[in-house]
Parts: sequence; structure tokens; C-alpha cells
Amino acid sequence: DGGITQSPKYLFRKEGQNVTLSCEQNLNHDAMYWYRQDPGQGLRLIYYSQIVNDFQKGDIAEGYSVSREKKESFPLTVTSAQKNPTAFYLCASSPAGVLGDTQYFGPGTRLTVL
Amino acid sequence: AQSVTQLDSHVSVSEGTPVLLRCNYSSSYSPSLFWYVQHPNKGLQLLLKYTSAATLVKGINGFEAEFKKSETSFHLTKPSAHMSDAAEYFCVVRGGLLSGGYQKVTFGTGTKLQVIP
Repeated sequence: DGGITQSPKYLFRKEGQNVTLSCEQNLNHDAMYWYRQDPGQGLRLIYYSQIVNDFQKGDIAEGYSVSREKKESFPLTVTSAQKNPTAFYLCASSPAGVLGDTQYFGPGTRLTVL
Repeated sequence: AQSVTQLDSHVSVSEGTPVLLRCNYSSSYSPSLFWYVQHPNKGLQLLLKYTSAATLVKGINGFEAEFKKSETSFHLTKPSAHMSDAAEYFCVVRGGLLSGGYQKVTFGTGTKLQVIP
């Protein structure tokens, strides 16, 4: 089955620790995205990548980092510099980043900082 | 600049009655518009999308939406609500260009639909 997988589903982190969230897709999509979702707010874009070895900051990139070494993988690292990291994180992909391409979403990772 | 406004944060309907979830948008370009549904602790699932073809768009699970350019609206409707429709719904606009040809995506803040038995 084609789709997007995110792991883990739930993640707990102590303050001051970095943590990496996994996102893998087998849809052969060029573009991948990371969003953060907080209660009562829409999704906010953290980073996006339109092609391997290239990525761009979104609206709230501070305290996060990404890599895109393979087409199917786009891991997100939440660093200790992110002041309020507790949130639901969603990864998405699309065939490309333009012209109304539909984004397809993974099931999400809920990160809680203790 | 572009924006999306979902006019109701919560909507409550009885099972079997019509559903109306309202969305207004603003965009300097000819946008693409989407509705997604999210069940608790799940990812977003695409319901339907508009990309400048027919203004009345039919989606999955009996939902449809009408693009009205004069009103800058893209309201989501369903003739008869089912218990399984209880979820959060997001209106999304895609348009304009950022660096490298990427089209910006803007999400509304969501509408939670409650279906009463």
C-alpha cells in the first residue's frame, strides 16, 4: 500500500534534549512538508522540501532542523532551542509544490515535553 | 497575501440533518481550495478539492462544496449527517508563489463538527 508513515506515534522528551521524528513516504512524491498543529490553530508550516538535498524554512522554523538525503525520507529534529515543542506534528507529501497539487498526510506524532 | 477564515469553530447538528461548514478565503491569485477532515489523533484526509474546473465539487462520504468567487467562499455541505462525520474539518487555500516555485498553503483554524444522535 502506498502512503506516508510517521514514527513514533507518541514521543516523550525531557527538556533540553533533541529528538528526531521520522517521516517516510512510498508515493514517489517529490515534495515533503512538516507541520505543527496546536489546539485551536490551523496547521503551521515548519519546513518543506521540493527535491532531494534541498529544503526551505516555513513560517515557524526556529528551533527545528531537517534533512532530505533520500526522496522518500524527511526527518524532523526538534532541538532544545524550540521553546514550546509540545504539539502534534504532521508530515505531508505531494507530487510537487505547485499548481494545486494535493498534499497527503501521515498519521502524525504527538510530542510531549516533560 | 492569502488567508482562510472558518466562520465557526464548533458546529452541532442532529444525525440525519444537513451539515454546513463555512469557509471564506482571500487570495491575490486564482487559488486551489481544499477541505480536509481529521479524526482525533489522526492525520488529515482529503475530502475534496477545487482547481478551477467545475464550481460545484463532489467529494468523498457524500460531502460537496461550492466555489463562489464573488463571495470568496467555499462552504462544505452534506445533505444528511452521520455519526461517523463527527470530526474536525479544515479549509485550505493554495496559491501564490514563494521561492523556487513553491505554492504557499494556508490552513483555516478548523471547525469541530458534533453529531447528536
